[in-house]
Amino acid sequence: EDQVTQSPEALRLQEGESSSLNCSYTVSGLRGLFWYRQDPGKGPEFLFTLYSAGEEKEKERLKATLTKKESFLHITAPKPEDSATYLCAVQAAGGNTPLVFGKGTRLSVIA
Amino acid sequence: DTAVSQTPKYLVTQMGNDKSIKCEQNLGHDTMYWYKQDSKKFLKIMFSYNNKELIINETVPNRFSPKSPDKAHLNLHINSLELGDSAVYFCASSRTTGYNQPQHFGDGTRLSIL
Repeated sequence: EDQVTQSPEALRLQEGESSSLNCSYTVSGLRGLFWYRQDPGKGPEFLFTLYSAGEEKEKERLKATLTKKESFLHITAPKPEDSATYLCAVQAAGGNTPLVFGKGTRLSVIA
Repeated sequence: DTAVSQTPKYLVTQMGNDKSIKCEQNLGHDTMYWYKQDSKKFLKIMFSYNNKELIINETVPNRFSPKSPDKAHLNLHINSLELGDSAVYFCASSRTTGYNQPQHFGDGTRLSIL
């Protein structure tokens, strides 16, 4: 069974204090790994898709990386507006396979 | 110009009632989805439709019945609501079911069963 585990569950950072969120996964052949951001009372907002080990994607203060077993979301010099829950999801190779989500990491950035 | 919109945003009802949630997307996507996010914030797929055809039907009670009148709309009807149905239900869409297709989500319908 495909599984996604995210750590830590919650992370509190001072503004400017860089850190990383972890997403460990087991999947029967990876089609893609997705990162989403979810604000309170809103739906998940797409950030990145990664397809193969060694791949990296960047967007503003965020950088996502992928290995064969895990992905990291690195946050450089975060600002209070980066506070949100970050969700990781995997999609297995094959036919119409669904996204399998982790429980997310709740990030709080304090000014 | 909301991309994926759901109605209603909040739904409070009694146990045993029947209710529907509507979803519309204006992105021109072929594939639409229903997800359930429970109190622990765990987001889980329920159904997926591609061009009005059901393609994913996870282990969901028969009381839940999706309907897609056209590829821009996917509704969810729930019969005989139970306390455990309380959750946030998200609709999403993607261009197709294939490779490299991120899903775009609505803002959810918060269902509370009394």
